[in-house]
Amino acid sequence: QQQVKQSPQSLIVQKGGISIINCAYENTAFDYFPWYQQFPGKGPALLIAIRPDVSEKKEGRFTISFNKSAKQFSLHIMDSQPGDSATYFCAVSTGGGNKLTFGTGTQLKVEL
Amino acid sequence: GAVVSQHPSWVICKSGTSVKIECRSLDFQATTMFWYRQFPKQSLMLMATSNEGSKATYEQGVEKDKFLINHASLTLSTLTVTSAHPEDSSFYICSARSGRAGVGDTQYFGPGTRLTVL
Repeated sequence: QQQVKQSPQSLIVQKGGISIINCAYENTAFDYFPWYQQFPGKGPALLIAIRPDVSEKKEGRFTISFNKSAKQFSLHIMDSQPGDSATYFCAVSTGGGNKLTFGTGTQLKVEL
Repeated sequence: GAVVSQHPSWVICKSGTSVKIECRSLDFQATTMFWYRQFPKQSLMLMATSNEGSKATYEQGVEKDKFLINHASLTLSTLTVTSAHPEDSSFYICSARSGRAGVGDTQYFGPGTRLTVL
């Protein structure tokens, strides 16, 4: 059973545009929702994370929108740049910092 | 701060040999470390969770006798792939978390180790 579903699988955005990646989960016990960025051959790096007590969190060009009732959360990358081209993973966790279950990943390409 | 290193960054070995991968938290004490495996163009799959001084907890389907995990100190965990076979070729990534559950939620990931078994 897939605990977190991520879409789209791949995404092409023009430079300066907005990239939007979505994740949906089933288990309401999840209480930690991070997004990771991974470049080829590298480990994932935490971009931004949210807890279910807020509906939105913004850090620079990255924003998480969280919809608790719909059990969905999304990553918005504003003013997308070619350097943002990478694979993005959402993840879910319970109990604060316990094991992460990752989404299937979204390969983002930002074109000039 | 919060840097995690892995050694080696890549390794090539012959089928049947054992390979040890080290994961170190450089500037914090990691009470819990996690080991993930990632096949090309796929997501990260958790293999096991290790707490300092205790036995690792393995995910369903992961052979604990094949993937030996030792978390002997608050800054070092090792993963040993025993009797490696070509199907074990993958990208192995560790992560480390400091503090108690609910405090210090962030997992910091290492750069990964590329294992190729010939």
